[in-house]
Amino acid sequence: AQSVTQLDSQVPVFEEAPVELRCNYSSSVSVYLFWYVQYPNQGLQLLLKYLSGSTLVKGINGFEAEFNKSQTSFHLRKPSVHISDTAEYFCAVRKAAGNKLTFGGGTRVLVKP
Amino acid sequence: GAGVSQSPSNKVTEKGKDVELRCDPISGHTALYWYRQSLGQGLEFLIYFQGNSAPDKSGLPSDRFSAERTGGSVSTLTIQRTQQEDSAVYLCASSLAQPETQYFGPGTRLLVL
Repeated sequence: AQSVTQLDSQVPVFEEAPVELRCNYSSSVSVYLFWYVQYPNQGLQLLLKYLSGSTLVKGINGFEAEFNKSQTSFHLRKPSVHISDTAEYFCAVRKAAGNKLTFGGGTRVLVKP
Repeated sequence: GAGVSQSPSNKVTEKGKDVELRCDPISGHTALYWYRQSLGQGLEFLIYFQGNSAPDKSGLPSDRFSAERTGGSVSTLTIQRTQQEDSAVYLCASSLAQPETQYFGPGTRLLVL
């Protein structure tokens, strides 16, 4: 079975500062990795995904993530955040041959002016 | 184009009553998923439909939960004899047959009194 750990439940950050959200996973088989964002009272929106190839993945809204197989990590970064980035962020994995997503517990990002 | 839609957006019910939650996937998506998002358990997979194949029901928490997908499109999640611990946001997602990206609906917020 897969598991996902998001090490920070909350991350306060000032506007225009960089942010990094940490995600570690555990799996005995090959997995695909995803980051989703959830704005208040909305569903989940895909930010980016890693399937194969380059370990540095660029997504929407200026976010990027790096897959590190040896450290089983998939940390999300943004060099300069905006107030509108205030949301909850979820890391998720899926078995390459599977279908269902396994999510981490989420990280709430609060961007302060 | 139209995304995944869910209805109702909010549902308040009394303990012991049955509820039905509806999901309309993106047109052309053959895969459909239900997840539950609750304070105590985070985001959990419930059930997965793919075309005419038997659904993957491995995430359903009890036999009070059931789901069906009619005509390969609309899906209904039914919770019988609701309990207070069923209070959560129920999210539906759909994808193409190769489920690289799951697209989520806005969810149904269920409150059991």
